[in-house]
Amino acid sequence: AQSVTQLDSQVPVFEEAPVELRCNYSSSVSVYLFWYVQYPNQGLQLLLKYLSGSTLVKGINGFEAEFNKSQTSFHLRKPSVHISDTAEYFCAVRGSNFGNEKLTFGTGTRLTIIP
Amino acid sequence: DGGITQSPKYLFRKEGQNVTLSCEQNLNHDAMYWYRQDPGQGLRLIYYSQIVNDFQKGDIAEGYSVSREKKESFPLTVTSAQKNPTAFYLCASSAKRGTEAFFGQGTRLTVV
Repeated sequence: AQSVTQLDSQVPVFEEAPVELRCNYSSSVSVYLFWYVQYPNQGLQLLLKYLSGSTLVKGINGFEAEFNKSQTSFHLRKPSVHISDTAEYFCAVRGSNFGNEKLTFGTGTRLTIIP
Repeated sequence: DGGITQSPKYLFRKEGQNVTLSCEQNLNHDAMYWYRQDPGQGLRLIYYSQIVNDFQKGDIAEGYSVSREKKESFPLTVTSAQKNPTAFYLCASSAKRGTEAFFGQGTRLTVV
């Protein structure tokens, strides 16, 4: 079984300030980890993913995330946010073993940028 | 353009009626998924399919049914047994040995 916890349901941040969105996971097997972004009334768009190798991964729109196996975390960061980053962000986990296609999501974090 | 198409974008139905949501993909992906999204609850997995003619229940399958007769199509039927069907429904697909899932634009179902 696998699960994802996003502790912060809402995060308000001033424009041009840094932001960190937290994600913790649990799984009995090795995992792939993902961050997705959702704009109102739209589907989800992949921001970045961790498969293996370097624990620091960079994604689109200036976002990056760090995989920490010992803390089972995959926090998302951006050094300076813009109004256009206002959206909902979802962390997701999938087992890396072959045949395990089940993708499990967290409850999401709504990021609001304050001008 | 390759992608996932969900139709319709908005759907209204009377209580007690079954309704089918369409999901088509031309990405040649083996796996397909249906998620339900409610405010504050994230995405919850309804059903997923890893191969044609096979599918598995997700976390909230009660009141829903699916079929996977073709690789590119994975329709979801919301039956009258689903107690609270009003929600935003998202379809996704992924390659069999791939990693991330790709999402459609969603269907907002309102039952009145």
